[in-house]
Amino acid sequence: SQTIHQWPATLVQPVGSPLSLECTVEGTSNPNLYWYRQAAGRGLQLLFYSVGIGQISSEVPQNLSASRPQDRQFILSSKKLLLSDSGFYLCAWSPILRTPGANVLTFGAGSRLTVL
Amino acid sequence: AQSVTQLGSHVSVSEGALVLLRCNYSSSVPPYLFWYVQYPNQGLQLLLKYTSAATLVKGINGFEAEFKKSETSFHLTKPSAHMSDAAEYFCAVSLNTGGFKTIFGAGTRLFVKA
Repeated sequence: SQTIHQWPATLVQPVGSPLSLECTVEGTSNPNLYWYRQAAGRGLQLLFYSVGIGQISSEVPQNLSASRPQDRQFILSSKKLLLSDSGFYLCAWSPILRTPGANVLTFGAGSRLTVL
Repeated sequence: AQSVTQLGSHVSVSEGALVLLRCNYSSSVPPYLFWYVQYPNQGLQLLLKYTSAATLVKGINGFEAEFKKSETSFHLTKPSAHMSDAAEYFCAVSLNTGGFKTIFGAGTRLFVKA
């Protein structure tokens, strides 16, 4: 069966410090990978998605970047954190389907980032 | 572009009462629609999905949703609420033409009173 791991679960960082959140998927090959950010009362905002190694699409211009160095590894980074980067970050994967709109997302447990 | 509106950021029901969480979508082409549930400090998990087959979709934990094209709605219901249903619920939409973009509503937090 497929599993998704995301870490760290919680992180408290000072403004201006770097960030690295990691996500790995097991039990599947060539998944679509996603980073979402969740803010209270605003639902989930899609930040990045990837359809393959080194292929990253950014949805929202911001202080963050993503990389996919391996097929089942997805990393969210920042060189200098801002206060507004605080939030709950969720990694997700979905299989490649002939009807991509029917993609079901499977989420990791999330990483709560607090920037002070 | 597609979008999702969830009416009511908070809904409170008594245990055993009907649960109704509202979702309206906007899409120029037939959409795929989903309901996800999130328990505190966890990721989201799929409750059910509509992919143009039956308009009444049954999901896990006794939930179901009905796709109504004329009303552009996909409301989530459960006949009898249980304490364990207390969570946040998200309606979501995606399109084949959108490829890999699933758009989520703002969420509705369900409270269940004993």
